[in-house]
Amino acid sequence: GAGVSQSPRYKVAKRGQDVALRCDPISGHVSLFWYQQALGQGPEFLTYFQNEAQLDKSGLPSDRFFAERPEGSVSTLKIQRTQQEDSAVYLCASSLSAGTGEQYFGPGTRLTVT
Amino acid sequence: AQTVTQSQPEMSVQEAETVTLSCTYDTSESDYYLFWYKQPPSRQMILVIRQEAYKQQNATENRFSVNFQKAAKSFSLKISDSQLGDAAMYFCAYRAPSNSGYALNFGKGTSLLVTP
Repeated sequence: GAGVSQSPRYKVAKRGQDVALRCDPISGHVSLFWYQQALGQGPEFLTYFQNEAQLDKSGLPSDRFFAERPEGSVSTLKIQRTQQEDSAVYLCASSLSAGTGEQYFGPGTRLTVT
Repeated sequence: AQTVTQSQPEMSVQEAETVTLSCTYDTSESDYYLFWYKQPPSRQMILVIRQEAYKQQNATENRFSVNFQKAAKSFSLKISDSQLGDAAMYFCAYRAPSNSGYALNFGKGTSLLVTP
């Protein structure tokens, strides 16, 4: 595809359920980032991959959050035992290489935990 | 951690006029990157303009330009000849030098309203 895609676009989960959010980066982009954007706020960094290696996970808010990119392309962000405070838009971004600085964002997945 | 502050939650501009959005940041680094991103309602974030801190010349992209004041740690965005399609949330973002990670650190955003 031409841009970063994410699925699903909307997800409603009951508190305590596990969810999986998918990101398809731009083809050939080495770097992939996940951000969390709460309502009315700017995005906050969660984690970063270079190819299949997760090089930075300092932004993951708890051990309920887990991300993977096993083949260096598609990535999945998993949230276990969802809580209401997990409600947010989850943005994925990719970059040709992290050093270039320019990140291209997907449309996001809006997660609502009830 | 670096802090990015956007002190204007909302701004309004008339079509064809010029508006300036403010951004300040806090860092002890000398080499870094600054960005302005635009996020239209329910649409994805797109890059408007970027500035490398080592470059003294202010970046310009068509109707968008920045005023980068390194000593003051200020990075404002000027939109000239505003158009209805410019209405969106605008986020200022900071990225540390490569050896400090690649995460973007965003401000809280400024909502820009463009009136006919």
